[in-house]
Amino acid sequence: KNEVEQSPQNLTAQEGEFITINCSYSVGISALHWLQQHPGGGIVSLFMLSSGKKKHGRLIATINIQEKHSSLHITASHPRDSAVYICAAPSGGGADGLTFGKGTHLIIQP
Amino acid sequence: DTEVTQTPKHLVMGMTNKKSLKCEQHMGHRAMYWYKQKAKKPPELMFVYSYEKLSINESVPSRFSPECPNSSLLNLHLHALQPEDSALYLCASSPYPGPQRNTEAFFGQGTRLTVV
Repeated sequence: KNEVEQSPQNLTAQEGEFITINCSYSVGISALHWLQQHPGGGIVSLFMLSSGKKKHGRLIATINIQEKHSSLHITASHPRDSAVYICAAPSGGGADGLTFGKGTHLIIQP
Repeated sequence: DTEVTQTPKHLVMGMTNKKSLKCEQHMGHRAMYWYKQKAKKPPELMFVYSYEKLSINESVPSRFSPECPNSSLLNLHLHALQPEDSALYLCASSPYPGPQRNTEAFFGQGTRLTVV
């Protein structure tokens, strides 16, 4: 079964700062998911990527399949970016479903 | 319509009650999932339905009973739950089942369940 590790677990930054969240996984995969969850809320899919880089607004996700590592970057961070960011990978071993990292709790202060 | 809709949003039930959670999607997705998320923990997979058939049951106690009446609807029937079952229950769907498919996952807003 895939093991997904995220860092940091908590991150507090000032508005406007460049944010990086890292994710590593143990089993080779075809695609990795980056998700966002607000307190008490459901999960929103931000990216699914299998190679290279994807950009959506101020969010950028990169993945290195050989190194089993992915990063999520937020440029010009804003207080509304405050949320838990979760990376998730296929569970592995031929099983369906996702295995989630523990999440990064991000707080952007004005 | 790119939404996964879960009802109810909140549910409080006693340990002797029987209740059901509902999940609906109209995107034509053929894989649907139930996840359980305890406070400050990542979601954990409970059940997977592939083409309306149960394909994975992650050793979930029988007091949780999933049902997939059609390709758009997924239910989770609850009976004789324990307080430790209190959690956020998330439903998700994907276009196709299978771990090697590069398909996006769509999540619902979840049902916040409290067992008293």
